Amino acid sequence: SQTIHQWPATLVQPVGSPLSLECTVEGTSNPNLYWYRQAAGRGLQLLFYSVGIGQISSEVPQNLSASRPQDRQFILSSKKLLLSDSGFYLCAWSRKGIHGYTFGSGTRLTVV
Amino acid sequence: DQQVKQNSPSLSVQEGRISILNCDYTNSMFDYFLWYKKYPAEGPTFLISISSIKDKNEDGRFTVFLNKSAKHLSLHIVPSQPGDSAVYFCAASGWIYNQGGKLIFGQGTELSVKP
Repeated sequence: SQTIHQWPATLVQPVGSPLSLECTVEGTSNPNLYWYRQAAGRGLQLLFYSVGIGQISSEVPQNLSASRPQDRQFILSSKKLLLSDSGFYLCAWSRKGIHGYTFGSGTRLTVV
Repeated sequence: DQQVKQNSPSLSVQEGRISILNCDYTNSMFDYFLWYKKYPAEGPTFLISISSIKDKNEDGRFTVFLNKSAKHLSLHIVPSQPGDSAVYFCAASGWIYNQGGKLIFGQGTELSVKP
C-alpha cells in the first residue's frame, strides 16, 4: 500500500530563519507531488507541483521554493522566513492519469 | 481569480437532518470534481467524487450532484451525524486544462452537526 510521510508536524521558527519541510511517498513510483498551504481561515492554496525528478512548477510568486531530488521526495524550502509564511502546509501525491490526491498529515508552521 | 468557490464559510445542522454544501466553478474545462473532508491539524481525506459525464454519485450517506449548465455542485449528507463536523473542501480538475492533474480547491465550508 502507498503511504505519504510529512514532517515535522509542528514548527516554530523566527523571522529570517531558513525552512526545510520534507515529504516522502512510499509504495509507488513516479508520482505527481504537490505542496499546498492553508493559511488561517483560508482555503487550500497550491504552491508547487512536480511531475518528475527536478521538475517543479510554481503556482504563486512567494518566498518559498521546492525541490524534488528523488522520485518520491519533495522538499519545501525558504532561505528567510516571513511572518506571512505561517500556516498549515500539506504535501500530497497522485498517480499519473488518476484524479484525486492523498494528503500527508500536514505541518503547522508558526513564524514568530 | 477564484475558479472554485464555496460561498458559505460555515453551516450548522441538527443531527439527523440533511446537510447541503454548495460549490460553484467558473472554468468549463473542469471535468472531474471531488469533495474532501478535513479535521483540524490533519490532512484532508477524500470523500466522494463525480465525473462530468454524470450528474449524481452516491456513496452511503453522501451524495454529490453536478449541474454542468449552472457550473454548480453540491454535497448532501443524510442523515447528518456529529462525527461529520469538519471542514469540507470542494475541488476540481481538468486534464486538458492543467496537465499533471492538479486540483483547484474552494475555500472550504465548516460544517457543525449539533446533537
